Amino acid sequence: EAGVAQSPRYKIIEKRQSVAFWCNPISGHATLYWYQQILGQGPKLLIQFQNNGVVDDSQLPKDRFSAERLKGVDSTLKIQPAKLEDSAVYLCASSLGTGATYNEQFFGPGTRLTVL
Amino acid sequence: EDKVVQSPLSLVVHEGDTVTLNCSYEVTNFRSLLWYKQEKKAPTFLFMLTSSGIEKKSGRLSSILDKKELFSILNITATQTGDSAIYLCAVFYSGGGADGLTFGKGTHLIIQP
Repeated sequence: EAGVAQSPRYKIIEKRQSVAFWCNPISGHATLYWYQQILGQGPKLLIQFQNNGVVDDSQLPKDRFSAERLKGVDSTLKIQPAKLEDSAVYLCASSLGTGATYNEQFFGPGTRLTVL
Repeated sequence: EDKVVQSPLSLVVHEGDTVTLNCSYEVTNFRSLLWYKQEKKAPTFLFMLTSSGIEKKSGRLSSILDKKELFSILNITATQTGDSAIYLCAVFYSGGGADGLTFGKGTHLIIQP
């Protein structure tokens, strides 16, 4: 079974530039998550999709971050413009669904972003 | 505010030692606690704990949850260099129209030969 795919794996940009990350979840997984993991910290949820609808984006800095999952499969996360503090690993995860019982989240390899 | 606190943040031991990693939590609508291992890539699932006092075991790793004290420990016996990683504790919450994971900062474990 193919896992969660992410690209690119690494990205280096200068502050104020724009960047986009792509995620392809496991086939059949309705729920998709984007996490930000800053060095020395645990992953922090940025946004959660159920199919193509947003379930939770309370921790997404909406002035510069945006995400979409138009057809309920692939997703893109964009940062425009980037700041130095956005340097982090961006992890995508997917699960079969959501609810009161935990549905295991499967993580992709992540995209390591460095903002200079 | 929900929080998951792990200790120690880093730990260096020698091969063969036994280590205990700690995780305390204060999370609204707690459902279960999870442990992950993260090497230089994505977190990989180790255990999920839902009930107090029931130890989960996988090889040299074991974990237990205390829902009264809001605490969990992860034990690794006879450590090997391959156990070197960041160990993440996360709480799964569900309620009030939202569900998800809240992670701790992790414990960076280094096993020296």
